[in-house]
Amino acid sequence: GNSVTQMEGPVTLSEEAFLTINCTYTATGYPSLFWYVQYPGEGLQLLLKATKADDKGSNKGFEATYRKETTSFHLEKGSVQVSDSAVYFCALSGSGSARQLTFGSGTQLTVLP
Amino acid sequence: ETGVTQSPTHLIKTRGQQVTLRCSSQSGHNTVSWYQQALGQGPQFIFQYYREEENGRGNFPPRFSGLQFPNYSSELNVNALELDDSALYLCASSLYGTPNTGELFFGEGSRLTVL
Repeated sequence: GNSVTQMEGPVTLSEEAFLTINCTYTATGYPSLFWYVQYPGEGLQLLLKATKADDKGSNKGFEATYRKETTSFHLEKGSVQVSDSAVYFCALSGSGSARQLTFGSGTQLTVLP
Repeated sequence: ETGVTQSPTHLIKTRGQQVTLRCSSQSGHNTVSWYQQALGQGPQFIFQYYREEENGRGNFPPRFSGLQFPNYSSELNVNALELDDSALYLCASSLYGTPNTGELFFGEGSRLTVL
């Protein structure tokens, strides 16, 4: 079955530091890949997505590239801000009719001023 | 555009009781999915409804059931509550059959505590 593995958290960084959150996946076929973010007290929001190999998703300064050869979709940001503090989830969508998402366990990011 | 709304936001039940959680989908969306998010974990897919029928189910027992109404709103029912059912229950809506693969719009969730 499908599965997503995220790097262990929590992650604490100083403002303007470089961020990488690792994500690898196991899936049959050609899944779409997503990063969702959960800010304190809010629902999950789509951060970025990539639907095929070598696609790069980007939003709000965050980027992730769909690497089929390494089955990875690592999240990066060059300079984090305090407002980026949240829980980040890597997810994949399979090819079935329900297109349910399979999520990783989440990575808590705290950015200190 | 109205987003996904869920009710209640918090509730406490005792073991063996039954609970009903409600969800209104985002305007224009015809598909509703439910996810269970245990503390410190990622959400897990419970089931999806489209055209008022279950259209996919995760690894959850039959005591988890649902409904979708003609206006695309939905209910999640859990019977014979167990302590392990304590979690945040997330509703997500989407538009079935679009080429946009798998993007979901989530509500803020209903936090269930089973004592």
